[in-house]
Amino acid sequence: DQQVKQNSPSLSVQEGRISILNCDYTNSMFDYFLWYKKYPAEGPTFLISISSIKDKNEDGRFTVFLNKSAKHLSLHIVPSQPGDSAVYFCAARTGSARQLTFGSGTQLTVLP
Amino acid sequence: DTAVSQTPKYLVTQMGNDKSIKCEQNLGHDTMYWYKQDSKKFLKIMFSYNNKELIINETVPNRFSPKSPDKAHLNLHINSLELGDSAVYFCASSQGAESLYSGNTIYFGEGSWLTVV
Repeated sequence: DQQVKQNSPSLSVQEGRISILNCDYTNSMFDYFLWYKKYPAEGPTFLISISSIKDKNEDGRFTVFLNKSAKHLSLHIVPSQPGDSAVYFCAARTGSARQLTFGSGTQLTVLP
Repeated sequence: DTAVSQTPKYLVTQMGNDKSIKCEQNLGHDTMYWYKQDSKKFLKIMFSYNNKELIINETVPNRFSPKSPDKAHLNLHINSLELGDSAVYFCASSQGAESLYSGNTIYFGEGSWLTVV
């Protein structure tokens, strides 16, 4: 029973174009969402987050959108660069939980 | 100058053996975690310690036992290894368990690849 789902295991995008990574969740108590980026043989690193009181958060080329009614969030990367090629994990937590619930990740490949 | 370091990075061992994975963080954080990435690639929390005190203990077999000699170290001991224990184990740390409410202060180690044969 996975509460955070990333249904696309992989995504390929041309350099310079937009990458859109999607994440769905089932627990309506989640109130904070995060994206982590992971390179091979490295641990995940924090990328960007969003609180449930917002519907958008932007940081440079990265923007996260939250649609609470649809229980859906997405990460937009514009423009995509080859160095963005990595696995992206979506994560969420509830106000009472002390841990994060992760999705299974999406492998993004940015083609030069 | 690695912030969260785990050893060994790769470990191949036979069923029934007992093994340990060590973790150290030099960030001055007071909370440490062990996550397991299973075959389906999900990252699932196993344990969390805050100032050497266990605060999260998810449903994991008793064969797994964390030990925190001080707040900079959280080691994972696994007894009687089984094939299903094969996974990547990530150590992580943050400043304060409540820092999870901001979420952006969890630092992960590089992972330890455990293969049980």
